[in-house]
Order: sequence, then structure tokens, then C-alpha cells
Amino acid sequence: DTGVSQDPRHKITKRGQNVTFRCDPISEHNRLYWYRQTLGQGPEFLTYFQNEAQLEKSRLLSDRFSAERPKGSFSTLEIQRTEQGDSAMYLCASSSGQDGRAAEQFFGPGTRLTVL
Amino acid sequence: AQRVTQPEKLLSVFKGAPVELKCNYSYSGSPELFWYVQYSRQRLQLLLRHISRESIKGFTADLNKGETSFHLKKPFAQEEDSAMYYCALSGRVDKIIFGKGTRLHILP
Repeated sequence: DTGVSQDPRHKITKRGQNVTFRCDPISEHNRLYWYRQTLGQGPEFLTYFQNEAQLEKSRLLSDRFSAERPKGSFSTLEIQRTEQGDSAMYLCASSSGQDGRAAEQFFGPGTRLTVL
Repeated sequence: AQRVTQPEKLLSVFKGAPVELKCNYSYSGSPELFWYVQYSRQRLQLLLRHISRESIKGFTADLNKGETSFHLKKPFAQEEDSAMYYCALSGRVDKIIFGKGTRLHILP
């Protein structure tokens, strides 16, 4: 499968614990995005990388959230001191970011986080 | 404010009937508009974008800047069209703003 992959697919944790998710984009894509989706809502933008540089962060991304893409390939999203409100599907997407216009974003299957 | 509004959470249509999924947007500049679709047990994927002016799986969408709308249409619904449909816009740097989605249910 050469699409975007995410690991784990499901995560159940207790409130206050830290969790980390991984996203592997399509190999030739230089842009990587994180979104969060809660029940009954569309995906909400969290942050975006071009290569290893984090270029934009949403106000949704509190200080407890941090994302990295150290070598411009895979990315991790860490949530510290999880809260029940963090329960959601976390989606990763990647694109080739060509010619200055919005490129098609290819989505991964998501990581479903449940905070007890 | 940047916003995408999909007024219908659920739309049920008989097979063979026309389909129209409504989408209105609010954006101060010139956004790019998209429709994304998520079939059961599959990942979110792009259906079409306004700049392509293509018909994908029989679906079309016309950008109406005067009405700030980007409604998705298909003349004859098929059972395999049942899915969750998200209207979305992108203003700058590929940041996509999604609507809440409309679940399309095709009745046999």
C-alpha cells in the first residue's frame, strides 16, 4: 500500500497520560497535514509541514499538542496530559504542493483516540 | 470569517432520482472549492475541485461566486453513491476548511 499510513489505528488512554501518533506520508509528498475530526463534524485543520518546517498551527492546537517532522518524511503528533475532550479521530494527509495552488491532499485512515 | 456550510446532515434520495448536495461558503478572497467523499470503511478522498471543471462519477459542481455556493449535483443517483460528502475550501497554503458533511443515502 503506497498511500498515507497512520499508527496506531486506535488508542485508548486514561486522562492525564501522554500519547503519540505517527503518520507516514506518500513518499514523494513534501507537505503533511494533521486534522482532527469529532463526531458530527468535518475534519478541522491542526497544523501543516512543508518538508521539516512547521508552517502553520491552528489555535485548536493547545500547548499540550506538539507535532514534528524531523527529517521531512514521517511526522509525529504528541498530546500531553490528555483530556476527555481530546477524544477524536486524528487524520493525517499529504500532498505534493506543486505550482502554488492547493494540491490534492491524500488522507490516511486516521487514529481514533479515546480518553477515559 | 472563513466558513463552509452544508445545511443538510442527511439526504435520502431514491435510486435514479437527481441529487443535489448544498454547500455555501464564506471567504474574503478567491478560494478553491472542493468536494471530498468518504465511503463506508474507506478513507476520505477528493471527489472533485472547481478548477478542474470535471465530472467525476457523474457528479458536477459549479462555483457561483455571486451566491457563494458550490452545490454538488448528479442527474441520476446510484446506490454506490451512498457516502458522507464534505464540501471544503482552501484559501492559502493548502489549509483546508471543511463543512460538517452531508450523509447521502440512496434508497433502492
